[in-house]
Amino acid sequence: RKEVEQDPGPFNVPEGATVAFNCTYSNSASQSFFWYRQDCRKEPKLLMSVYSSGNEDGRFTAQLNRASQYISLLIRDSKLSDSATYLCVVKRDSSYKLIFGSGTRLLVRP
Amino acid sequence: NAGVTQTPKFRILKIGQSMTLQCTQDMNHNYMYWYRQDPGMGLKLIYYSVGAGITDKGEVPNGYNVSRSTTEDFPLRLELAAPSQTSVYFCASSRGGLRGISNTGELFFGEGSRLTVL
Repeated sequence: RKEVEQDPGPFNVPEGATVAFNCTYSNSASQSFFWYRQDCRKEPKLLMSVYSSGNEDGRFTAQLNRASQYISLLIRDSKLSDSATYLCVVKRDSSYKLIFGSGTRLLVRP
Repeated sequence: NAGVTQTPKFRILKIGQSMTLQCTQDMNHNYMYWYRQDPGMGLKLIYYSVGAGITDKGEVPNGYNVSRSTTEDFPLRLELAAPSQTSVYFCASSRGGLRGISNTGELFFGEGSRLTVL
């Protein structure tokens, strides 16, 4: 079983839609959580961290459910420019290493 | 700011050849990493370094070697290239320290090196 699992998608949504992705992790020792964004044929870039209480950054909301071991990313009012692959990332605080999911692809259509 | 710079961006190798992927960063980060990304897959950690002179294996180190003689440079060497090493390779760096990466989770990636082994 992969340590971090994501639905590969693609999620195909119209502009203005709200879309949500989930990501599950298997290691309960995981302590830090992040969402990265990767555009086609580009390097990943940090989108946002995920805090225990949930956090929001503009149209993006991230939530953590430790009991069920999943994190989520909600995108409101989708823009064409949101089309990308969203990578779920977890880290055990005893380690320097980040564990990346394989990503969920989002396509926003006009 | 240049950030993290990788060279070459593209390379085709024949089976059995060797090569070095170069990576340099100008942010004075202690922590550096090499990842590979296969199509439809997550990034897999090959090697990482917590400072000059210190390196350690990641998840998929076989067939690769690294060195870290300076803070800025972290080259990845492929010995006896095999088709299974066809991939996109990303070098990354972070500010470092457990507290730092826990707080921000931010790795700064290079633009990637696309390697094909035929």
